[in-house]
Amino acid sequence: VQVLESGGGLVQPGGSLRLSCVASGFTFSRSAMSWVRQAPGKGLEWVSTISGNGESTYYADSMKGRFTISRDNSKNTLNLQINSLSAEDTAVYYCAKTTGSSWYEDHWGQGTLVTVSS
Amino acid sequence: EIVLTQSPAILSLSPGERATLSCRASQSVSSYLAWYQQKPGQAPRLLIYDASNRATGIPARFSGSGSGTDFTLTISSLEPEDFAVYYCQQRGNWPRTFGQGTKVDIK
Repeated sequence: VQVLESGGGLVQPGGSLRLSCVASGFTFSRSAMSWVRQAPGKGLEWVSTISGNGESTYYADSMKGRFTISRDNSKNTLNLQINSLSAEDTAVYYCAKTTGSSWYEDHWGQGTLVTVSS
Repeated sequence: EIVLTQSPAILSLSPGERATLSCRASQSVSSYLAWYQQKPGQAPRLLIYDASNRATGIPARFSGSGSGTDFTLTISSLEPEDFAVYYCQQRGNWPRTFGQGTKVDIK
C-alpha cells in the first residue's frame, strides 16, 4: 500500500491550491480516503474524508466552505482543493487510506507541506 | 464537535517501564476510538482501533481499553523505539477529532 501526496508549496494569502494523492497497492475505489493536516510543531487535525464511491464527503467544521475533497477512481487519485488560504492553513497535509468499514486512517503518505506567506 | 482531552501532556519514563496514557471524550463515542503513534519527521501510525484492537503488525506490548468517554493506551514495557507522541482519535461522530497528544520521552 502506498499513497503519495503532491501539490504543496508556497502560496500567498488569499490564494488557492490543489493537493493530490496517488494511491497504489489496494483497491482504491473500495476505500474511503482522508486528509489530515499538522501545523508546524502542533498536533494532528482531521480535515476531510470521502467515501469510496465519492458520494459522501465529510469536513471539519472550521474547513467547510473553503475545502473541497474529491476523487477520481479511474486514476486512483484523491484531491483536496483549498481556497482563500491564510497563514493558519500552513501545515503538512497528509493523505491517508482508511480501514474497511470503520474508516480509521491506516496507511499514510509522507505529507506535502503547504506554506502560506507573502 | 467532540473534544478529546489527553493526559498527561508529557510522560517521562525509562525503557522497560509501563506507560499509561489517558484520553477523555466530551461525550460518549462508544468504542469508536483509535490511537496513533508519531515519531519526529514521520507520518502517524495506527496502533489501536475501536478502543482495544491492535492494528496489523503492532506488538502485543501495546494495548487499549475503555468505552464511552474514558480510554487508556498502555505500553507494558517501553522499548527505545516507543518514545514518541501518541494521539487518540474518535469516529463516534462527524467531524472526526484528535486529542492534542501525549509525548512519551526518555527520563
